[in-house]
Amino acid sequence: IAGITQAPTSQILAAGRRMTLRCTQDMRHNAMYWYRQDLGLGLRLIHYSNTAGTTGKGEVPDGYSVSRANTDDFPLTLASAVPSQTSVYFCASSRGTGELFFGEGSRLTVL
Amino acid sequence: GESVGLHLPTLSVQEGDNSIINCAYSNSASDYFIWYKQESGKGPQFIIDIRSNMDKRQGQRVTVLLNKTVKHLSLQIAATQPGDSAVYFCAERATDSWGKFQFGAGTQVVVTP
Repeated sequence: IAGITQAPTSQILAAGRRMTLRCTQDMRHNAMYWYRQDLGLGLRLIHYSNTAGTTGKGEVPDGYSVSRANTDDFPLTLASAVPSQTSVYFCASSRGTGELFFGEGSRLTVL
Repeated sequence: GESVGLHLPTLSVQEGDNSIINCAYSNSASDYFIWYKQESGKGPQFIIDIRSNMDKRQGQRVTVLLNKTVKHLSLQIAATQPGDSAVYFCAERATDSWGKFQFGAGTQVVVTP
């Protein structure tokens, strides 16, 4: 089934550790995004990529980095995790300026 | 001590009734709007979208209304079913922001028998 695959589904992480959330799409969408979702705040954009080889900062980029080496993969890295990064992370993709297609999320707890 | 958490607005609807979920947006430059449904533990799913050159769009059991004058968006669900229980939120995108959407916090819809 075509769509977005995120891994891991859930992770508990000690503060200060490095963590990479993986995201792969098989829809050949040019644009990909990472959002975090916190109760009462809605989805907030962390980083995005309009096409392979380019990335941009969203609303809450601090503490996160991304890369887009190819069309299908868009990993999100937390270089040194902090408790405030405890959240549910969603990867999404879109074809051009159309609607976003979301993955099932990665629940991250930083202790 | 007691901890206080954030709670989403909740709409309680009886099965078979119609539901209306509202969303206010702030950016007058927004030209594209989407309603998403999110079930517990899952990713958001596209329901319906509307562009700013329209004021109404209908789908299967859903209708989206757009009032640009007061910057208001609503989602109507006809004959609400138990499977409609979820969090619903709107997303807006401005012309010059390409694919970057702004999302509302969401409304929890609870369908009662």
